[in-house]
Amino acid sequence: GESVGLHLPTLSVQEGDNSIINCAYSNSASDYFIWYKQESGKGPQFIIDIRSNMDKRQGQRVTVLLNKTVKHLSLQIAATQPGDSAVYFCAENTPLGGNKLVFGAGTILRVKS
Amino acid sequence: NAGVMQNPRHLVRRRGQEARLRCSPMKGHSHVYWYRQLPEEGLKFMVYLQKENIIDESGMPKERFSAEFPKEGPSILRIQQVVRGDSAAYFCASSPQGSYNSPLHFGNGTRLTVT
Repeated sequence: GESVGLHLPTLSVQEGDNSIINCAYSNSASDYFIWYKQESGKGPQFIIDIRSNMDKRQGQRVTVLLNKTVKHLSLQIAATQPGDSAVYFCAENTPLGGNKLVFGAGTILRVKS
Repeated sequence: NAGVMQNPRHLVRRRGQEARLRCSPMKGHSHVYWYRQLPEEGLKFMVYLQKENIIDESGMPKERFSAEFPKEGPSILRIQQVVRGDSAAYFCASSPQGSYNSPLHFGNGTRLTVT
């Protein structure tokens, strides 16, 4: 039979604006969270991580916010550049069932010049 | 430092043939993970290995798929008697301490096409 892929949500931003990408994670026992960036034809590239004992962590032009109450994670990119265009995935490490990293569905970020 | 190396980058197999995908982890990394990605989807966990041991294979199909990470040499993901539904990108990742303590570093994947 025909298989139909999921359509990823898309965020379009103007170059120079800030971007916010959101993610709802599934397991309240998850204790370590990572954001990855995936460009076409490449593997996921690590951006930033955060542990469950933190609410916020900043990197270079990126900030990750964690709200454990509602199981929500966000990635903020300041002054978005064309090179930021990619698919962004959040991933949670779940200690239950063997410590594996579980990925969300992904968000496409398109930066308009 | 060389990153995670996967080969081949592209692999075409006819239905019924075998596919072997290779992964060399980053230097000093003894934890290897395999993930599968269909177009426009996220990565799905398949198997987690340490040297000579399978730690978690809960994401692997019970038949036709196997993985190994020998004491010497790369990790191998083997798919026997491939079917069209096996067509996907297969990514390998490695870490020095397992995904609880450190982020996984990914290779650029092997794109398997079954004709």
